[in-house]
Amino acid sequence: NAGVTQTPKFQVLKTGQSMTLQCAQDMNHEYMSWYRQDPGMGLRLIHYSVGAGITDQGEVPNGYNVSRSTTEDFPLRLLSAAPSQTSVYFCASRGQGHSPLHFGNGTRLTVT
Amino acid sequence: AQKVTQAQTEISVVEKEDVTLDCVYETRDTTYYLFWYKQPPSGELVFLIRRNSFDEQNEISGRYSWNFQKSTSSFNFTITASQVVDSAVYFCALSNSGNTPLVFGKGTRLSVIA
Repeated sequence: NAGVTQTPKFQVLKTGQSMTLQCAQDMNHEYMSWYRQDPGMGLRLIHYSVGAGITDQGEVPNGYNVSRSTTEDFPLRLLSAAPSQTSVYFCASRGQGHSPLHFGNGTRLTVT
Repeated sequence: AQKVTQAQTEISVVEKEDVTLDCVYETRDTTYYLFWYKQPPSGELVFLIRRNSFDEQNEISGRYSWNFQKSTSSFNFTITASQVVDSAVYFCALSNSGNTPLVFGKGTRLSVIA
């Protein structure tokens, strides 16, 4: 049982490049979300999804796109990376009834 | 609007001391859920506890205890007889009723010195 799997673990991009952070869960969770973690800022919500075909913006959505074509996958796309997007990104999912969030191990992204 | 405040940015204690991490929350809902997570130096986020707004009983799990007080909108976390392995960043979070996202505080970095 893998839980929440994020790939890659590390990534370095140049300004203007695009990339997709992958997130997959095998717990049949309807709810999935993306957070970014920056020093002194805690965990800030980027986007979330309450089921396949449904996504919504969080606190800091600008510069990021998401889609949810299946229950299992929730990729996060950076269309044109900026140095301000240097951060650690966490994907998380949860089951019904306010179950706790299950987090992936994170992706450390550096944009130069 | 929901908000979680962890006023203590960093705490440093000597091993075996007791330490309390504060969490104050704001919400207009009467039904909500509070959470604590631990992030050790290795970076993963580990769930510690969930509490709903109708259950004000304090909870104890080994050296960990949680004090939930609706009157002061606080959900504080105490570690008794701290150990070096308790060194981590601790996050408090809030979720309202329905399928709503968790809102996290900024975290408290706890350093336990041997």
